[in-house]
Amino acid sequence: KAGVTQTPRYLIKTRGQQVTLSCSPISGHRSVSWYQQTPGQGLQFLFEYFSETQRNKGNFPGRFSGRQFSNSRSEMNVSTLELGDSALYLCASSSTGPGALPMNTEAFFGQGTRLTVV
Amino acid sequence: AQTVTQSQPEMSVQEAETVTLSCTYDTSENNYYLFWYKQPPSRQMILVIRQEAYKQQNATENRFSVNFQKAAKSFSLKISDSQLGDTAMYFCAFMSPLNAGGTSYGKLTFGQGTILTVHP
Repeated sequence: KAGVTQTPRYLIKTRGQQVTLSCSPISGHRSVSWYQQTPGQGLQFLFEYFSETQRNKGNFPGRFSGRQFSNSRSEMNVSTLELGDSALYLCASSSTGPGALPMNTEAFFGQGTRLTVV
Repeated sequence: AQTVTQSQPEMSVQEAETVTLSCTYDTSENNYYLFWYKQPPSRQMILVIRQEAYKQQNATENRFSVNFQKAAKSFSLKISDSQLGDTAMYFCAFMSPLNAGGTSYGKLTFGQGTILTVHP
């Protein structure tokens, strides 16, 4: 069973540009969540999607957005990049649905996309 | 809002010895879930062990066990017979239970992490 796939693995962008990161969850998983990891702020929750609907959103500016497609693949977009957006972006998938106990599932993480803004 | 605190930025241990990583959290909820994740240099986040708050029995997974003290809001990880492959960053994480209409879907709140180095 293939794991969570994030593409690209590495990315270098210039300030002011925008970027799109992709996450393909494990087959059958309908929930995808995104996290930003930086040395200073640690791991912070960005948002979570389930069946193409955003169910939860972290405390990030509107420059950060995401979406989920009917095949559960998800993308996150960051517009007008700032130096502080340099981070490792992690995606996790699980099969949790409404009312499901998270103990019946596990959040499987991808290897992340390392974004560097210069 | 929930918070998770790991007070040990770095720890080291000799191979085959036992080490305990500390974690405390703050929440007003009665039911929730706690996790320990491991992130080796490959950056792959791997679930080590999990605990349901409504269970009094401490979770164990082979060489890994937890000491869950609900009243004290403490959730420490004990690694027995440490191996070189245990070298990694370890994160403690909290999750609220899913509930219809709630805002806790899929959200893990992480601590700052503890870098564990196992020496030969």
